[in-house]
This record gives sequence, C-alpha cells and structure tokens, in this order.
Amino acid sequence: TQLLEQSPQFLSIQEGENLTVYCNSSSVFSSLQWYRQEPGEGPVLLVTVVTGGEVKKLKRLTFQFGDARKDSSLHITAAQPGDTGLYLCALRRTGNQFYFGTGTSLTVIP
Amino acid sequence: KAGVTQTPRYLIKTRGQQVTLSCSPISGHRSVSWYQQTPGQGLQFLFEYFSETQRNKGNFPGRFSGRQFSNSRSEMNVSTLELGDSALYLCASTPGGGSGNTIYFGEGSWLTVV
Repeated sequence: TQLLEQSPQFLSIQEGENLTVYCNSSSVFSSLQWYRQEPGEGPVLLVTVVTGGEVKKLKRLTFQFGDARKDSSLHITAAQPGDTGLYLCALRRTGNQFYFGTGTSLTVIP
Repeated sequence: KAGVTQTPRYLIKTRGQQVTLSCSPISGHRSVSWYQQTPGQGLQFLFEYFSETQRNKGNFPGRFSGRQFSNSRSEMNVSTLELGDSALYLCASTPGGGSGNTIYFGEGSWLTVV
C-alpha cells in the first residue's frame, strides 16, 4: 500500500485548459511538499503546505492542503507547454528522508 | 552558486559488475541524500549522510552503500549489479541536518544494466 497516492497517473491536455491533480493518504501528515520534475532533470520544490485548509498560490498554480491534513491538490489554470513534467507530492519522514508519491505525468500540448 | 553536481550522467554496466556514482553538493551544504527513481517504483529513498555519518537508510539490500567525505562530497556504490538496478539515481543536498530545509536535487545519473 502506497503511503501517498497520486491521481491521475497520466494527464494530457491542450494548452489553455485547467487541470487538478491529487495527492491522498490514509494517514495524517504534518506538512506536504509538491515538486515538479522536468524530463532529464531532478525534482524541484514548488511549495510546502503546513496548515490544514491552507491554500498557496504560485502564479497559475494553486495548492491546497485538506482540512484533515490527509490530502492535497494542485490546480493549474490555463496550462502552458512549460508546465509539462512529473508532479510529485512528498512528505518528510525524518531528517532529510522524504517519501514521494506515485506521481502525475502531465503533458501540455501546444 | 553551482547546483548539485552528479557524475557520470549516463553509464551502462553489465550484470554482476559494480558501479560508483559521485555527488558534489551545493557549496556549504552538509547533508546529502540519495534516491532511486524507476518507472515502476517511483522515487525511493536510499540513504542520507550528514557530517560523514549515515543518518537514515531506506529499504534497499546491502549491495547499495554510500559514504560521505569531509568536504561533504558523497559517493554511492552498487555491487553485483542486477537488471533491476537500472534507474535514475538522484542526489540531493540541504544546508544542515534539521527539518525545514529545502532539498535541492541534482540532474541524476542514468544507470543501465545489461
């Protein structure tokens, strides 16, 4: 059983469309991070959410942490080809050991 | 400021051989961690080093080992390679050992075992 389940696994959309990807767990976590990994590169941190119900915005990206701190979502408005990549949610276990979700592979078609 | 540097970027090894991958963290960073990324299992934690000491270890067999030098540079070694070890190996560094630090990943080393 995966600690962090992400959905959908794959997503292919046209430029300009909106999309939402999800990260769910059966456990409560104290904080959650979202990363984007572009082809041929390592993951890059986008945001950390800490408080239940928290909403953070990063340009066209909106991150939400569920009230019960067991789920999170990432919404992208007016997707662009530059948004293409693998989106990963992650939680810190101890020290700098992170547990990563299964990932959502997003392709934005021009 | 240079990012996390991993070498080599690509390599091909034969089953049964061993391989050593190198990671130079961002200058001033003392914590280095290693991850394995495969299509089937995703991104999985291998181990973390801080001040030359292994702090945490993931659920991987003993064939996977690592070390950290006094200048914070790190190496990981995989012995008796198996086909399933083919993966992207990512190194990441953070400034210190505590939580709350942002983790920075390198571009990874692509290992293919044939």
